[in-house]
Amino acid sequence: DVKVTQSSRYLVKRTGEKVFLECVQDMDHENMFWYRQDPGLGLRLIYFSYDVKMKEKGDIPEGYSVSREKKERFSLILESASTNQTSMYLCASSFYISNYGYTFGSGTRLTVV
Amino acid sequence: GENVEQHPSTLSVQEGDSAVIKCTYSDSASNYFPWYKQELGKGPQLIIDIRSNVGEKKDQRIAVTLNKTAKHFSLHITETQPEDSAVYFCAASRSGGGADGLTFGKGTHLIIQP
Repeated sequence: DVKVTQSSRYLVKRTGEKVFLECVQDMDHENMFWYRQDPGLGLRLIYFSYDVKMKEKGDIPEGYSVSREKKERFSLILESASTNQTSMYLCASSFYISNYGYTFGSGTRLTVV
Repeated sequence: GENVEQHPSTLSVQEGDSAVIKCTYSDSASNYFPWYKQELGKGPQLIIDIRSNVGEKKDQRIAVTLNKTAKHFSLHITETQPEDSAVYFCAASRSGGGADGLTFGKGTHLIIQP
């Protein structure tokens, strides 16, 4: 089975801190995605990447950046964390020509205080 | 861009009854429609998907129907069981989700009453 592993299950950070959320997949998928999940808002796409060193903005990229130096790893960076970035963050991966949907990680619940 | 509306936001059914969740989409070029199930404390998991060249797909107690003309698709769960309790998300994409991301609905919290 494809595994998407998010490095932290829970994180608490202070306002203004630089925060790194890490995601690793083990099935040689080209595509990787970062979503945030908020009650009543569903899943919203922050950034995605379809190749190493490539990145594309999703629907809500403001306040975030990403890094993909290796195919298996996709990092989400909060340059200066704010309280409105308190959320559940979900990483997903898929093949480039994806006919089988995404595989999601278990999520990182980030609280910014 | 694509916009996906999902209803209802909460659905409570008696164990053994059927449950139906409905979604509409706005982009007529969308051609891939997956459904995800998210259990408490876990990431969403793909349970079934349908492409625009078919109108219906079944997998045991789960079925999905697609009406391209009306731009809506539905998830049907028959003979519901306690383990069906979860949050369900529909999604839509032009490219199978592969190259530009899936657009998700806001989710339906399905509650199976014993």
